[in-house]
Amino acid sequence: GIQVEQSPPDLILQEGANSTLRCNFSDSVNNLQWFHQNPWGQLINLFYIPSGTKQNGRLSATTVATERYSLLYISSSQTTDSGVYFCAVGSSGYALNFGKGTSLLVTP
Amino acid sequence: DAGITQSPRHKVTETGTPVTLRCHQTENHRYMYWYRQDPGHGLRLIHYSYGVKDTDKGEVSDGYSVSRSKTEDFLLTLESATSSQTSVYFCAISESGANYGYTFGSGTRLTVV
Repeated sequence: GIQVEQSPPDLILQEGANSTLRCNFSDSVNNLQWFHQNPWGQLINLFYIPSGTKQNGRLSATTVATERYSLLYISSSQTTDSGVYFCAVGSSGYALNFGKGTSLLVTP
Repeated sequence: DAGITQSPRHKVTETGTPVTLRCHQTENHRYMYWYRQDPGHGLRLIHYSYGVKDTDKGEVSDGYSVSRSKTEDFLLTLESATSSQTSVYFCAISESGANYGYTFGSGTRLTVV
């Protein structure tokens, strides 16, 4: 299957700081999604973004499919942004493969 | 989560016993998935379904079976539970396998003792 690598594995920020999370993948994809897993374990879909750029409030994501990477930007971070961020990719006819995630802690 | 529920939310069972986890959706989505989440591994696909009675294996399917007799229900069965199957199990749904976002259930925490 397609390999997914996320970096950094862990990140600690102060409230108000900005951050960039990266997702590299090993093959062509037609499905790429970013998820946030909150401290209670709930997985929330942030973006469906196989290519291009999307924004949702303080979060935005960019996928450069030809270079096989995606970036998730978090601006003006808040403590509620803490949790684990997963990148997941898929190609035609197959389910998503998940990376191991970036664990984010935002401190007051 | 709206439209997708997992049951039970927590379960403790003994080694060697059969266990069935249920995923129920009200979205009429064609695709349903079972993942397990373990520390250091992210989420790994166990089985998925692309329609009633249509299922396929994922990367960690050994020891698990699934059934989908109705669009809304996807059952995951551990035929004879082992301690290595202690995990958090997530169900997900999507309209299409490749081109749509996933929605996850709240998860089932299974402990095999």
